[in-house]
Amino acid sequence: NAGVMQNPRHLVRRRGQEARLRCSPMKGHSHVYWYRQLPEEGLKFMVYLQKENIIDESGMPKERFSAEFPKEGPSILRIQQVVRGDSAAYFCASSPPYQTDNEKLFFGSGTQLSVL
Amino acid sequence: AQSVTQLGSHVSVSEGALVLLRCNYSSSVPPYLFWYVQYPNQGLQLLLKYTSAATLVKGINGFEAEFKKSETSFHLTKPSAHMSDAAEYFCAVSADSSASKIIFGSGTRLSIRP
Repeated sequence: NAGVMQNPRHLVRRRGQEARLRCSPMKGHSHVYWYRQLPEEGLKFMVYLQKENIIDESGMPKERFSAEFPKEGPSILRIQQVVRGDSAAYFCASSPPYQTDNEKLFFGSGTQLSVL
Repeated sequence: AQSVTQLGSHVSVSEGALVLLRCNYSSSVPPYLFWYVQYPNQGLQLLLKYTSAATLVKGINGFEAEFKKSETSFHLTKPSAHMSDAAEYFCAVSADSSASKIIFGSGTRLSIRP
């Protein structure tokens, strides 16, 4: 049973480009969470999605950032017109249906975004 | 509001020595407290969790943590370090068990000397 898969592992973008980060949850999981870890800081919650629905986006920056979790395929975190301050590790986690307890979270190994 | 502070971004101990990773929290309500571990090139894994039951919580791989309300601390310990314990450790706090409300510390990298 594969774990949470994130790709790419490393992503390099120039300022102004778009970044797309992908997360495939564990098989059978229908909840996806995105977290961001800035240098020297802890992981910070960004957004919580279920299939085709954004449940909680209280941690998402108001501009340039968006997330989706379509009926088919991986969850996508999209950052438009990236700036150097977007450089961070982005982690995805998933949990089973009806279980939003953080004890049931399974994390991916993250995508390291570097903006030149 | 909740917050968590991990003292020491890098801790190095000898194999067989005591491991002590420090974590202090701030919470306006009785907290849920967690320790997560991240091994190289892997995702975070839950090591242990405190939810107001026993103050001494035992986790996987011989780790344990003690909740001390008077000191607002939740330090992680292991009596004897093993080379395989080398990893990044994150302390976290939450007002409830919801995954979207958990707040992580900045992490402590544990190195083990042969």
